[in-house]
Amino acid sequence: AQTVTQSQPEMSVQEAETVTLSCTYDTSESNYYLFWYKQPPSRQMILVIRQEAYKQQNATENRFSVNFQKAAKSFSLKISDSQLGDTAMYFCAFMTNLGAGANSKLTFGKGITLSVRP
Amino acid sequence: KAGVTQTPRYLIKTRGQQVTLSCSPISGHRSVSWYQQTPGQGLQFLFEYFSETQRNKGNFPGRFSGRQFSNSRSEMNVSTLELGDSALYLCASSFQGRGELGQFFGPGTRLTVL
Repeated sequence: AQTVTQSQPEMSVQEAETVTLSCTYDTSESNYYLFWYKQPPSRQMILVIRQEAYKQQNATENRFSVNFQKAAKSFSLKISDSQLGDTAMYFCAFMTNLGAGANSKLTFGKGITLSVRP
Repeated sequence: KAGVTQTPRYLIKTRGQQVTLSCSPISGHRSVSWYQQTPGQGLQFLFEYFSETQRNKGNFPGRFSGRQFSNSRSEMNVSTLELGDSALYLCASSFQGRGELGQFFGPGTRLTVL
């Protein structure tokens, strides 16, 4: 079974600064997908960024980027130029690759609460 | 495109009752997954439906069941409610079952069991 660990329960960052959220996972599989989801106080889960394990290049989406270290089973999220709207709970998640059109189950970490200070 | 919608948004039930939650996926999405979110257990996968068939199932008792209709809308049913079933229930849809492209979540149904 896969496990996802987010060891930092809370973090705080000053507006406009950069923050990195950590995530490690455990799996015996070689082909999988990793995600970061954001859950603001409204509770709506929002996909932030995704990474395919077979790709060495780290994914980026505007101010969000990841540091994917496959051998270390580490998948951290970097948020640059933090904004007040980034205040939310962030979840790291793992998905096994069962083949195109067959992938569905997300295994989530416990989440980290990020507060952006004005 | 409209996002994933869930109804109702809030529910209060008593122990022993049953409840049905509804989820309408994004238009064109055929896969619907359900998750339970609690402070203690976090986010846990319940099951996934694709083309009206349950394709994947998490580790929940048989009191939790679901179904999917031909228009891809899905319902989740919990029978004989227990206090521990109080949670936020989230559904998520993905395009043609390709969850690897990202699952898109609804706003959730907050279930309180008294």
